[in-house]
Amino acid sequence: NAGVTQTPKFQVLKTGQSMTLQCAQDMNHNSMYWYRQDPGMGLRLIYYSASEGTTDKGEVPNGYNVSRLNKREFSLRLESAAPSQTSVYFCASSEWLGQGDTEAFFGQGTRLTVV
Amino acid sequence: RKEVEQDPGPFNVPEGATVAFNCTYSNSASQSFFWYRQDCRKEPKLLMSVYSSGNEDGRFTAQLNRASQYISLLIRDSKLSDSATYLCVVNKKVRYGGSQGNLIFGKGTKLSVKP
Repeated sequence: NAGVTQTPKFQVLKTGQSMTLQCAQDMNHNSMYWYRQDPGMGLRLIYYSASEGTTDKGEVPNGYNVSRLNKREFSLRLESAAPSQTSVYFCASSEWLGQGDTEAFFGQGTRLTVV
Repeated sequence: RKEVEQDPGPFNVPEGATVAFNCTYSNSASQSFFWYRQDCRKEPKLLMSVYSSGNEDGRFTAQLNRASQYISLLIRDSKLSDSATYLCVVNKKVRYGGSQGNLIFGKGTKLSVKP
C-alpha cells in the first residue's frame, strides 16, 4: 500500500544544475500537487494538476516546470537550480468528489539543498 | 486577507491542558476543510475532516462556521504525543461549474506539550 512515492529523498545540487523530482501515486487520484516548505513559511503550492493533461501554476511557480506524465505520475523540474530553491518539497494527491476534495495524501518529501 | 490564516503560535502547554486552534479562510466557495498534523521533518497527515455539524474524534473536536468563514480545533487533555504542528487546510475551487479544486494550507501552529 504505497500511497504517494517521491524520489529522491535527499539531493544536493550546485547552482545552475538541473534535476527532476519524481512523484507517483497508486490511489487513482485525479488531483496532484507540488508544495515547498520553508521554515516559517508553511506549505506553499508550486504547481498542481487537476487531472491528467492539465497543469496550473500555484503560489510560487517561478523557476519550476511540471509534467503530468499520466494519471499516476507528476514530476517537478528545476531547470537551473538556485540557492533560493533550497527547501523541502512535498508531492500530494487528492480526489475531487464534486462537493469537495478528499484528504490529500503526501509523499515523504525531498530535502533539496542548492549550494 | 490571506486565503487561510492561522494563529501564529507557538503554543506551549502542560500535559492535561485544553488547547484551541483557530483558522479563518477567505474563499466563501470553499467546500472541504481539514486539520492536518505534521511532525518535525515528516510529511503532513490528516488529523480530521471538518464538517458543518462539527465532529469529534476522542479528545479532538473540530468546528466549522461557514457564515464567519472560521474553523477551529480543540484538543482536550493534551498528551506529550500531541506535540506537533497543526495545519488548517481549505479547498479552493478554481473552475466554477467544473470539477477541479486545489487545497490551500495555512502556515500551521506549533504545539509543544510539556510534562
